[in-house]
Amino acid sequence: AQSVTQLGSHVSVSEGALVLLRCNYSSSVPPYLFWYVQYPNQGLQLLLKYTSAATLVKGINGFEAEFKKSETSFHLTKPSAHMSDAAEYFCAVSFIYGKLTFGQGTILTVHP
Amino acid sequence: NAGVTQTPKFRVLKTGQSMTLLCAQDMNHEYMYWYRQDPGMGLRLIHYSVGEGTTAKGEVPDGYNVSRLKKQNFLLGLESAAPSQTSVYFCASREGKRGAYQETQYFGPGTRLLVL
Repeated sequence: AQSVTQLGSHVSVSEGALVLLRCNYSSSVPPYLFWYVQYPNQGLQLLLKYTSAATLVKGINGFEAEFKKSETSFHLTKPSAHMSDAAEYFCAVSFIYGKLTFGQGTILTVHP
Repeated sequence: NAGVTQTPKFRVLKTGQSMTLLCAQDMNHEYMYWYRQDPGMGLRLIHYSVGEGTTAKGEVPDGYNVSRLKKQNFLLGLESAAPSQTSVYFCASREGKRGAYQETQYFGPGTRLLVL
């Protein structure tokens, strides 16, 4: 069975600081992993995805994530936070029929 | 392209009432999904469809029914609404390449449902 754990339901950073959102997964098969972002009162938008082509994945808006099989992790980072990054972020793993299992979500707050 | 659209955007129901949520996509996607989002629980899969005329249960199917009579539409029904079904409902779709679990799902804007 597949599962995803996001460590930290809330993360707060200052504008310009490093953003680190943690995601650990459990999967019985090689995983396909995703990060989605949800802005207030909107649907989910894909940030990036790991498809086994490269362990370091670059996404939109300056975000990137590194797949580490030994640590079963897929943490999301951004070198310098911007006020517009404030949103909820979801890590997810895909399995049969493309069904997604989501983590609990992490709300990112960016302070001026 | 409009992508994935959902109607209605918001609805208030009384316990025991029924309603249907409509999801439509104009991307010719084979696969469609219904999720519910609750605080602190992420999104959970209710039902999904791998093509026109097919449906299957997801993680939390109880109290819901679905139909996929046309490829572009996926309907979610609540026959007798309960307060526990108060949630935000999201529809998603993706291409249907078999075994291609890495294909991106595209989400609609959501429907907020309040059951009193």
